[in-house]
Amino acid sequence: GQQVMQIPQYQHVQEGEDFTTYCNSSTTLSNIQWYKQRPGGHPVFLIQLVKSGEVKKQKRLTFQFGEAKKNSSLHITATQTTDVGTYFCAGVGSGGSNYKLTFGKGTLLTVNP
Amino acid sequence: KAGVTQTPRYLIKTRGQQVTLSCSPISGHRSVSWYQQTPGQGLQFLFEYFSETQRNKGNFPGRFSGRQFSNSRSEMNVSTLELGDSALYLCASSLGQGLRAEKLFFGSGTQLSVL
Repeated sequence: GQQVMQIPQYQHVQEGEDFTTYCNSSTTLSNIQWYKQRPGGHPVFLIQLVKSGEVKKQKRLTFQFGEAKKNSSLHITATQTTDVGTYFCAGVGSGGSNYKLTFGKGTLLTVNP
Repeated sequence: KAGVTQTPRYLIKTRGQQVTLSCSPISGHRSVSWYQQTPGQGLQFLFEYFSETQRNKGNFPGRFSGRQFSNSRSEMNVSTLELGDSALYLCASSLGQGLRAEKLFFGSGTQLSVL
């Protein structure tokens, strides 16, 4: 079955440093979504990428979808303490009528003020 | 609009018991998905319901079941509870327009502890 792997599992940074999490799929994806879960909270949708090579920005967050649509990344510039949380990618396979989102295991980001 | 509502917020059960969790989606949303979240395994897909029909199912044993009602509210049931079923159970709703992937809106979850 489809697998979505995310690295690193944990990342600790000093406030102001940059942060990147990577997502890799075993199969080609039709699209990929990113979610953020604050400690004690629930996942909240951040963005969806659909096109090969797509890049989207949300303030200090930059999301990329690979040319082969098998990988994606989330980059945060100049982290702040409000960025603390677990970032999940979730992909949908490109074949058939499978609507199931497969989540990566997430990257837990902690920020030292 | 009210968000996704899950009840109860916390549950403590013993092995062998069964449990029913409830989820009320955002008004107008027709699709409801359930996920199990544990520290080691992340978010594991249980099943998805759309218009009272199970549209997709994850790799969980038959002890895990669900249903959706005509008002889109959903319940999931776990029978013969095991210690390993201790987890945060998250419900997510989406419009259910039949698109390949839609933005999910998650509830706050039900934290289940099995003793």
